[in-house]
Amino acid sequence: DIQMTQSPSILSASVGDRVTITCRASQTVRDWLAWYQQKPGKAPRLLIYKASTLESGVPSRFSGSGSGTEFTLTISSLQPDDSATYFCQQYDNSRTFGQGTKVEVK
Amino acid sequence: QVQLQQWGAGLLKPSESLSLTCAVYNGSFNDYYWSWVRQSPDKGLEWLGEIKLRGMTKYNPSFKSRVSLSLDTSKNQFSLRLTSVTAADTGIYYCTRIIRGMDVWGPGTTVTVSS
Repeated sequence: DIQMTQSPSILSASVGDRVTITCRASQTVRDWLAWYQQKPGKAPRLLIYKASTLESGVPSRFSGSGSGTEFTLTISSLQPDDSATYFCQQYDNSRTFGQGTKVEVK
Repeated sequence: QVQLQQWGAGLLKPSESLSLTCAVYNGSFNDYYWSWVRQSPDKGLEWLGEIKLRGMTKYNPSFKSRVSLSLDTSKNQFSLRLTSVTAADTGIYYCTRIIRGMDVWGPGTTVTVSS
């Protein structure tokens, strides 16, 4: 199984801050990586696929980068609505999710 | 806009089988993979498996002996069956569409396994 590890587990930042979440894979997943946002009581929402491609309708302040085993999700200017938990997911070999990063907006 | 609606029994006893169904509205059924994902506080998000037209299936090896997916193209529905459930199978089960990532999700069904 490919293990996905996210850091940090919790992140607290202010409105307007630049925020970065890291996701590491236990072996290469090439660029077969997606990012999701989940708010309490809701299903996850796809933000980014193929490591860096923004899903339609997702604000441009979200961006993804990386390949192989290390990936990042960046929010360029944090907004109150970005308060949520973010998950990475590899789909190179089966499908596995990271444990999540909770983002709190001060 | 594609929508997924899901249903099934929410309370099971250990050793029973979990059965959930997901209906696809306002979109093509034939061109995508359809999957099930569950979420629990202990294990987080777990992919159980996926299915495409003509019954092409892929399963999570961790569940392979207990999980099966099926689809009913006449009704635009797909289903999950998980046998021999235990308390560890308690969680929220989501159906999803897969094209690039999992781009459409159902609202989730809470399943509790308790004696």
